[in-house]
Amino acid sequence: GESVGLHLPTLSVQEGDNSIINCAYSNSASDYFIWYKQESGKGPQFIIDIRSNMDKRQGQRVTVLLNKTVKHLSLQIAATQPGDSAVYFCAAITGGGNKLTFGTGTQLKVEL
Amino acid sequence: NAGVMQNPRHLVRRRGQEARLRCSPMKGHSHVYWYRQLPEEGLKFMVYLQKENIIDESGMPKERFSAEFPKEGPSILRIQQVVRGDSAAYFCASSPRADSNEKLFFGSGTQLSVL
Repeated sequence: GESVGLHLPTLSVQEGDNSIINCAYSNSASDYFIWYKQESGKGPQFIIDIRSNMDKRQGQRVTVLLNKTVKHLSLQIAATQPGDSAVYFCAAITGGGNKLTFGTGTQLKVEL
Repeated sequence: NAGVMQNPRHLVRRRGQEARLRCSPMKGHSHVYWYRQLPEEGLKFMVYLQKENIIDESGMPKERFSAEFPKEGPSILRIQQVVRGDSAAYFCASSPRADSNEKLFFGSGTQLSVL
């Protein structure tokens, strides 16, 4: 099976700083990874994804890094803003389809 | 172009009652996924349906829980004889296809509270 976990339950950063949220996964056969942002009372919102044949992917202010050797991925948010405050989840898919295995989440708090 | 719509947003039931949660997928999407989220936890997969078919129900409890996605109308997640442990947020997601290229879009969820 697959388990996905995050290193820290809470991350506090100053506005304008960069944020790094980490995630570890257990199944080396996992081939697709997604980061979601969840604000209070809302559903998960897609941020960025990456396939196992890549090690880096960039979006607007966000970058995902994948290290398959140690089964680790990270989400980097540049110039963190108050609106980035939320819980961030990594999720993995193994063997195709859309069945996601989620981590427990990291609460990102942006301090002014 | 409306997103995934779930209703009700909040549902309160007493122990032993039935809960019915509805999910209308995005327009053009024929694949629906239900997830459950306990407080301060990640989402856990429950069931995957296509129109009129259950494809994968490996995450569904064996008893009291059922799901359907009829030809017409929303997908329904039904919980019979609810217990306090069923209290959670239930999220629905939809996609137009079943392959892993799709980014699942989630609804805002139904918060079920069992008294």
